[in-house]
Parts: sequence; structure tokens; C-alpha cells
Amino acid sequence: QLQLQESGPGLVKPSETLSLTCTVSGDSIINRNYYWGWIRQPPGKGLEWIGSIYHSGTTDYNPSLKSRVTISVDTSKNQVSLKLTSVTATDTAIFYCARFYYGVDYWGQGALVTVSS
Amino acid sequence: QTVVTQEPSLTVSPGGTVTLTCASSTGAVTSGNYPNWFQQKPGQAPRPLIYSTTNKHSWTPARLSGSLLGGKAALTLSGVQPEDEAEYYCLLYYSGAWVFGGGTKLTVL
Repeated sequence: QLQLQESGPGLVKPSETLSLTCTVSGDSIINRNYYWGWIRQPPGKGLEWIGSIYHSGTTDYNPSLKSRVTISVDTSKNQVSLKLTSVTATDTAIFYCARFYYGVDYWGQGALVTVSS
Repeated sequence: QTVVTQEPSLTVSPGGTVTLTCASSTGAVTSGNYPNWFQQKPGQAPRPLIYSTTNKHSWTPARLSGSLLGGKAALTLSGVQPEDEAEYYCLLYYSGAWVFGGGTKLTVL
């Protein structure tokens, strides 16, 4: 059974970098049938695609976040990571790790990250 | 910036049928946008329902179906049950980028 588990600090200070890790179990992140990514949801609001990474290491990012986002993989640990720099209060959200197959077919449970001093 | 538009809210009676739609600011939605549909209940992660316009996941109820309708992606729920009350999101693909719709709050009343 595929499982995606997000982990990382739940509180980040303004102007600092948000870092999250998604540990994948039940599948290999180098499986060419799928790719991986991150989605966020501010409290009480809708969903926003942050970006995706393919088995080749190629990435696609949301144009509105591209200058601040980096998504990477650690194949030895079967993990996908997210870094978002220069955060502000508007970056407060639940961050979901996701597997993509013609869309999203699996989601992690989500990790709430609050940006506050 | 591409905008994907859904009905903000819809109400349906138990046992009834309702269709949710998903429109693109760039024009007609096609199969090349790989329309996806998700259900989200409070405090839970979104649950995938439909991918690539019409394809169901193994857990998707048979009474749910996806289609293209009048230039939009559509999700039809038949024989609606109280547990279908939730927020529904569509997701469209645009040449390397994915864009979510704003969501439809479905009330079963």
C-alpha cells in the first residue's frame, strides 16, 4: 500500500526558508510510471499546485512561486523534498505531498506549516 | 495566469443527480487537460475520484462519472447520498503546469 508522509517544522519565521520532506513507502520514486510533487492549501481556502519533479530530475513549478521554490529527490532515502524561501504569513498552509499519474492519484495526509514570528 | 472556474456552491436532494463543472479561462477544456476531480471533507486530505476526464480510481463509486460537457469538464453524481456532502475540486493540466479550480461546496439537503 502506497503511503506518503510529510515531515518538517510546523512553525517558520517570516523571511526564512520552509523545508519539508515527503517519505514514500510502497513504491519507488524512480518508478517511471509516476512523478511526484507538492500541493498546498491555506486554512479554509482552496488547493494550489506548487510543483512537480520527474524521474529524470526535471522540475515544473507554479509560475507564481517559481522564484522561491525548489523540489528535489533523494533516491537513496525514497524522499521528495520541498524548499520555499523568503516566506511570509501568506505562505501559511497545509502542504501535501502527492504522486502524479495523469493527475494526482495519491496524497499524503498533509503537514500544517505556520509562518509567524 | 490561467484561471479554472467551478460553481462556488450547489445543493442537491438525497437520491438526486447533480453535475459539477470546471471551466478554463483559455477556452474549451479538452482531454489534453487531463481533467481530475477530487472530494475533500473537513480535516481530511483530498480524495481522488476521476482522472483523465472519465477514468475512475478503484475506490470511486460507480454512481460518479466524469465527462466533457459544453467545453467544460464535468463530474456527475447520481443517486446522491448524504455522505457526498463535501467540497469538490477539479484539476487541469496546461503544458507542464497544473491548475486547480476554486472548488464547489456541495450540500445534500
